[in-house]
Amino acid sequence: AQRVTQPEKLLSVFKGAPVELKCNYSYSGSPELFWYVQYSRQRLQLLLRHISRESIKGFTADLNKGETSFHLKKPFAQEEDSAMYYCALGYGNKLVFGAGTILRVKS
Amino acid sequence: DTAVSQTPKYLVTQMGNDKSIKCEQNLGHDTMYWYKQDSKKFLKIMFSYNNKELIINETVPNRFSPKSPDKAHLNLHINSLELGDSAVYFCASRLRGGMNTEAFFGQGTRLTVV
Repeated sequence: AQRVTQPEKLLSVFKGAPVELKCNYSYSGSPELFWYVQYSRQRLQLLLRHISRESIKGFTADLNKGETSFHLKKPFAQEEDSAMYYCALGYGNKLVFGAGTILRVKS
Repeated sequence: DTAVSQTPKYLVTQMGNDKSIKCEQNLGHDTMYWYKQDSKKFLKIMFSYNNKELIINETVPNRFSPKSPDKAHLNLHINSLELGDSAVYFCASRLRGGMNTEAFFGQGTRLTVV
């Protein structure tokens, strides 16, 4: 079955430290992969999509088909990065989400 | 202009009541979704409509009935509300014509059943 796994429920880092939020997926076709972010009490919004291969707010994510992973990385965390991050897999008409990882950046 | 709007933002109601949540998008998208976000923040897809037709129904109790009067609207009606229905419900829309298209989300409706 198609699935998105985010193994960490909470990731706590200090300001300026590197961040890696893990995401693994299971899908036999060509995946559409996304990272969405939800700041406190706000709506979900798109952060990145794998097809764009861009850096947004200093975040990047590379699709690794061999490892079926799409990890989100940032070299230097900032306090305003604190939020819930969801990895999502699109296929057909579906868009399914992982369980989410709370990123807490401490000063 | 808000792209995806839901009403109401908050809903507190008693067990056994029937309630509706409305969603509208002004993006010209052809696909709309309802998601449930539980207390652990897990985001679970409930329904998806494409051009007013139901295409995904993810083993949701039949007390939940979506209705799409047109492509821009997807409402969610819930009968006989139960305590376990308390959650945040998000509406989203997306254009399925292209690959890797972004989903836009509403601000959520926080439903509390007492």
